Amino acid sequence: QKEVEQNSGPLSVPEGAIASLNCTYSDRGSQSFFWYRQYSGKSPELIMFIYSNGDKEDGRFTAQLNKASQYVSLLIRDSQPSDSATYLCAVIETNFGNEKLTFGTGTRLTIIP
Amino acid sequence: EPEVTQTPSHQVTQMGQEVILRCVPISNHLYFYWYRQILGQKVEFLVSFYNNEISEKSEIFDDQFSVERPDGSNFTLKIRSTKLEDSAMYFCASILARQDRELGTGELFFGEGSRLTVL
Repeated sequence: QKEVEQNSGPLSVPEGAIASLNCTYSDRGSQSFFWYRQYSGKSPELIMFIYSNGDKEDGRFTAQLNKASQYVSLLIRDSQPSDSATYLCAVIETNFGNEKLTFGTGTRLTIIP
Repeated sequence: EPEVTQTPSHQVTQMGQEVILRCVPISNHLYFYWYRQILGQKVEFLVSFYNNEISEKSEIFDDQFSVERPDGSNFTLKIRSTKLEDSAMYFCASILARQDRELGTGELFFGEGSRLTVL
């Protein structure tokens, strides 16, 4: 069973600070990694994807990937109250040409004004 | 912006009743998925569908579940005889055709979800 692990939180961060979210995955063959944001009762919304080792920045968000350590993280700079949500790490698994997205349990983030 | 649409947004049903959840994937997408999320739990894969057949299904997707693409636009999930534990949010998702991207890459677009409540 291929796993995606996240600390469920809750993680509380003061407004304006950096929020750091972490994720590990078990399938060494995985090559695509995604961070989704999910507000309560809503569908997952893609924030970023990363395929290559290193950092990828998009506005206030930075995704970091380390395939050797099977670790992916998301940094949110200048955290805003609207960033309060559950953040889902997801990995595409491929199996004989079939693909599916496997999610972690999510980390609940609360930004404190 | 193209989007995946789902209906109904909320359905309440009695245990043992049949339910059909409907989805219209993005028009140029060829791979379709159903996921579910029980309240407070993780988003779980149910089934993937390509070329009018199931590509992969999870242990959750037992004989009570079926999927169908009855026409060129709709993608449906049927639960034949609902149980209390089927109460969840059901998300439809779709992704671009494989020839438009590399295997294992690409964004999965999710619909807004259908909340199923089984009483």
